[in-house]
Amino acid sequence: GDSVTQMEGPVTLSEEAFLTINCTYTATGYPSLFWYVQYPGEGLQLLLKATKADDKGSNKGFEATYRKETTSFHLEKGSVQVSDSAVYFCALSPQGGSEKLVFGKGTKLTVNP
Amino acid sequence: DTGVSQNPRHKITKRGQNVTFRCDPISEHNRLYWYRQTLGQGPEFLTYFQNEAQLEKSRLLSDRFSAERPKGSFSTLEIQRTEQGDSAMYLCASSLLGGSPLHFGNGTRLTVT
Repeated sequence: GDSVTQMEGPVTLSEEAFLTINCTYTATGYPSLFWYVQYPGEGLQLLLKATKADDKGSNKGFEATYRKETTSFHLEKGSVQVSDSAVYFCALSPQGGSEKLVFGKGTKLTVNP
Repeated sequence: DTGVSQNPRHKITKRGQNVTFRCDPISEHNRLYWYRQTLGQGPEFLTYFQNEAQLEKSRLLSDRFSAERPKGSFSTLEIQRTEQGDSAMYLCASSLLGGSPLHFGNGTRLTVT
């Protein structure tokens, strides 16, 4: 079945460091791909998305490119801030829409000043 | 946009008791979703509604679980004869039709003792 695998956490970085969180997926057809973020004490929020191969999603300095050849959707940010500390979830939608998302296990990021 | 509201935030119950959770979606959203999240895992899809119709249920949703969305507004998730394995965070999300992003609530944390 459809699945998402993301890098094990936790990840601890210093402020202004470069961030990469790896995400690979297994799916039939052409899924849409998402990154959700959960800040402490808050609900999940959509960070960015990509709906077809080679699309790049971006938001708040974060980027991820839909790579069909490597079935990947790695999250990157060039310079992290303390306020980026959160849990990041990679997810896919098997039918290309928003229903029935399949999530990875999440990666906890802590950014120290 | 007041966001997705879930009540209660926390519920502690004894094994064998019934519990009911409520979700109030964003008012103009037609779709409503329930997910379950256990510690260290990503959210897992349980079921979703389009207006008042329940369109899909996961195999995770055993016969002890029932969800309703009367009149296509708020939704309730009931768990009968709770088991310790039901302990989890239950997340509600809503969206407009057509693949728009999911908006998640803060969840109801259930602990079965």
